Amino acid sequence: GAVVSQHPSRVICKSGTSVKIECRSLDFQATTMFWYRQFPKQSLMLMATSNEGSKATYEQGVEKDKFLINHASLTLSTLTVTSAHPEDSSFYICSARDVQGNYGYTFGSGTRLTVV
Amino acid sequence: SQQGEEDPQALSIQEGENATMNCSYKTSINNLQWYRQNSGRGLVHLILIRSNEREKHSGRLRVTLDTSKKSSSLLITASRAADTASYFCATGTGANSKLTFGKGITLSVRP
Repeated sequence: GAVVSQHPSRVICKSGTSVKIECRSLDFQATTMFWYRQFPKQSLMLMATSNEGSKATYEQGVEKDKFLINHASLTLSTLTVTSAHPEDSSFYICSARDVQGNYGYTFGSGTRLTVV
Repeated sequence: SQQGEEDPQALSIQEGENATMNCSYKTSINNLQWYRQNSGRGLVHLILIRSNEREKHSGRLRVTLDTSKKSSSLLITASRAADTASYFCATGTGANSKLTFGKGITLSVRP
């Protein structure tokens, strides 16, 4: 079945530094990937839609200059949290859909970001 | 923004019992999906039901969709301790559209 690999699973960084999270579709091509953020015991909030070869579409209230998304190939999207602050600490999850499959989306295993 | 609203928010049952979780949504949809999330992990797709379908089965899972009431239910039969997790409904408006998630239901199955 479709597999999405997300890396790293956990990262701790200092305030002011940048962190890059990778999301790869391992056995299928994904023209569109999605980035979510999840706070403890809460639901997933869509941050942005990553489009291969074009600019990402950000949800209202999400700072595009702070959360940089690059989708340079059909199997890789990256989310870079720039100048991270403690309030950016969260669980980030990506997802993608195999366009040749059904409508079910495959999710990565998530990245726990802690900014100290 | 949140679309789905699941209820109950938390459910605790004994192993072997059935678990029923409900989801309501507000706008027109193309499909509705249920996902499972174990603590601190990613989401696992359980089942998808399209807007022109009323019921779907997958193993111990049964999903219903009532578009007139804008609601869906997920039934897990003969629950197991391993079913303990958070369950989310999510709605999609098209084939490759973004998903909008509900708040989730925490299911605890006591052995």
